[in-house]
Amino acid sequence: KAGVTQTPRYLIKTRGQQVTLSCSPISGHRSVSWYQQTPGQGLQFLFEYFSETQRNKGNFPGRFSGRQFSNSRSEMNVSTLELGDSALYLCASSAQGQGASNTQYFGPGTRLTVL
Amino acid sequence: GQSLEQPSEVTAVEGAIVQINCTYQTSGFYGLSWYQQHDGGAPTFLSYNALDGLEETGRFSSFLSRSDSYGYLLLQELQMKDSASYFCATGAGSYQLTFGKGTKLSVIP
Repeated sequence: KAGVTQTPRYLIKTRGQQVTLSCSPISGHRSVSWYQQTPGQGLQFLFEYFSETQRNKGNFPGRFSGRQFSNSRSEMNVSTLELGDSALYLCASSAQGQGASNTQYFGPGTRLTVL
Repeated sequence: GQSLEQPSEVTAVEGAIVQINCTYQTSGFYGLSWYQQHDGGAPTFLSYNALDGLEETGRFSSFLSRSDSYGYLLLQELQMKDSASYFCATGAGSYQLTFGKGTKLSVIP
């Protein structure tokens, strides 16, 4: 099976712009989670989608949003970018997405730099 | 809420054994997972403990004590390629994983 893919791999934006990141999960996986990874804060949960429904959302401002399509592909959007949004954004897919028992398979991430 | 504490850095010698500890506080508990991440790479799953005790997978073992809210990852016969960051994580049935901030392991010759 092909792994989780994320596009683009690298992105440079300026403050105030908006950005859309894309994630294609492993075939057959219906759960997609998004994480922000920074050196100071580690991996922080953004949101999780299952069958096009957002089941949980982390503690991030409303500028961060996402969606999932019927083919389980997911996008996340960040509007009005701030310097602090510079991070590695990781997408992970799993079969069910519930709890620590469900292995998360991570994509390579999108490195976003905000200037 | 949930929080997991683990040491920020550990250094060990090639061929030796190293233990990475993780203590957690959760409002509910659904097991402890461990992930490995090399610099520039994606996190990859290593192991999962749902119940107390030791789980062994090759050179890696993971231990859980639910009464102590504590777990550890044990790496034996360390190799240079084991140099990476290691994260413990737990989920509370709320469709998310909460990760510790990671332990950077440096293996030296």
